[in-house]
Amino acid sequence: DTGVSQNPRHKITKRGQNVTFRCDPISEHNRLYWYRQTLGQGPEFLTYFQNEAQLEKSRLLSDRFSAERPKGSFSTLEIQRTEQGDSAMYLCASSLGGPGLAGANVLTFGAGSRLTVL
Amino acid sequence: QKEVEQNSGPLSVPEGAIASLNCTYSDRGSQSFFWYRQYSGKSPELIMFIYSNGDKEDGRFTAQLNKASQYVSLLIRDSQPSDSATYLCAVRSPGAGSYQLTFGKGTKLSVIP
Repeated sequence: DTGVSQNPRHKITKRGQNVTFRCDPISEHNRLYWYRQTLGQGPEFLTYFQNEAQLEKSRLLSDRFSAERPKGSFSTLEIQRTEQGDSAMYLCASSLGGPGLAGANVLTFGAGSRLTVL
Repeated sequence: QKEVEQNSGPLSVPEGAIASLNCTYSDRGSQSFFWYRQYSGKSPELIMFIYSNGDKEDGRFTAQLNKASQYVSLLIRDSQPSDSATYLCAVRSPGAGSYQLTFGKGTKLSVIP
């Protein structure tokens, strides 16, 4: 397993188009997260899956955003009717949930998918 | 609203010096604290985490946690030019359900040869 894989790495689209990003987590990890990062900012939480269940969504995730994780494996993040403000790096991370604090929720990030909306 | 604050920098230190990076957080119930390093154009990578008051050392890196002051820091000894990056502080609070991390904006470190 080579880590968290994301594609495409770069996506340039015109305003109003739909885009979809895919994330393949580390195979034994049951938790998957999507974050968004803009220039000069830290990653901002978007949504979280435990196995196939989407358990939390940030208020940043407008109704134009949807995420899925069928069968608890890979995940997709779709943005409909893109806006210029959606331009950002979309980061996927995964972790192995477990009891206790030690080592729990150590997020491993993928390389990210950079979106540019023209 | 949980907040994590970091000085954006840039923090410039000469090669071989100690770099000190600081972070404060607003949620007193926060349990776990993480330091990630992010090179320009790359994704964050974990340096270390800490959840008990005091110091935790890993090679040239030492994380320090003071829950009473809601303060966590990262010391980098014998700084190298390859340490030049943005350092992100992240905090996990209990009861979030999702175990999501709240990140600061990061401190940009520049190690001058």
